[in-house]
Amino acid sequence: NFMLTQPHSVSESPGKTVTISCTRSSGSIASNYVQWYQQRPGSSPTTVIYEDNQRPSGVPDRFSGSIDSSSSSASLTISGLKTEDEADYYCQSYDSSNHVVFGGGTKLTVL
Amino acid sequence: QVQLVQSGAEVKKPGSSVKVSCKASGGTFSSYTINWVRQAPGQGLEWMGRIIPILAIANYAQKFQGRVTITADKSTNTAYMELSSLRSEDTAVYYCARGGNQSPNWFDPWGQGTLVTVFS
Repeated sequence: NFMLTQPHSVSESPGKTVTISCTRSSGSIASNYVQWYQQRPGSSPTTVIYEDNQRPSGVPDRFSGSIDSSSSSASLTISGLKTEDEADYYCQSYDSSNHVVFGGGTKLTVL
Repeated sequence: QVQLVQSGAEVKKPGSSVKVSCKASGGTFSSYTINWVRQAPGQGLEWMGRIIPILAIANYAQKFQGRVTITADKSTNTAYMELSSLRSEDTAVYYCARGGNQSPNWFDPWGQGTLVTVFS
């Protein structure tokens, strides 16, 4: 199996842009779709990106996802940061047996 | 719009079992998958396994093989996760989440979570 590694925390100012990385330890990041979930304190996770770069309805276009096969990593970019974006963000993918793997999560602070 | 409604918090003794339910409200889940994910206090998300209710086929993360059983009752649109031989490290919030029809590994929506506390 593989692991997904995220930075423990990132911080940025309101109005700025932040990128959270998610690096796959083995195999190609392009082999299986990557999802991104947002989790605010005390709440269940919600999807901000699915299938690498797709936004569910209702998620603002300030959120975007991408993958980079050369570095075997996925990225979540949030532009025009708002204080309400402060949350934990998790990347998620799966292996050839459809077993799901989550990254360790990144705490985003907007200050 | 389907919602997943989970059963209430549980307090269990080490060595016992817990069974958490997840009912689909406002829709059915027969043609989807239901996944179980847990989150220990202050920790990240951990996938435990899934079931395809229409086929009654479940598969589990290796870590939980032999200790977790996931079932579903199509007649009531309810899925269940039973975890046995509980230990203190199993204290966590347990979530169910629906896997998409076309994208089974995209989890949406999630249940509200069920806190299971293992305490002697």
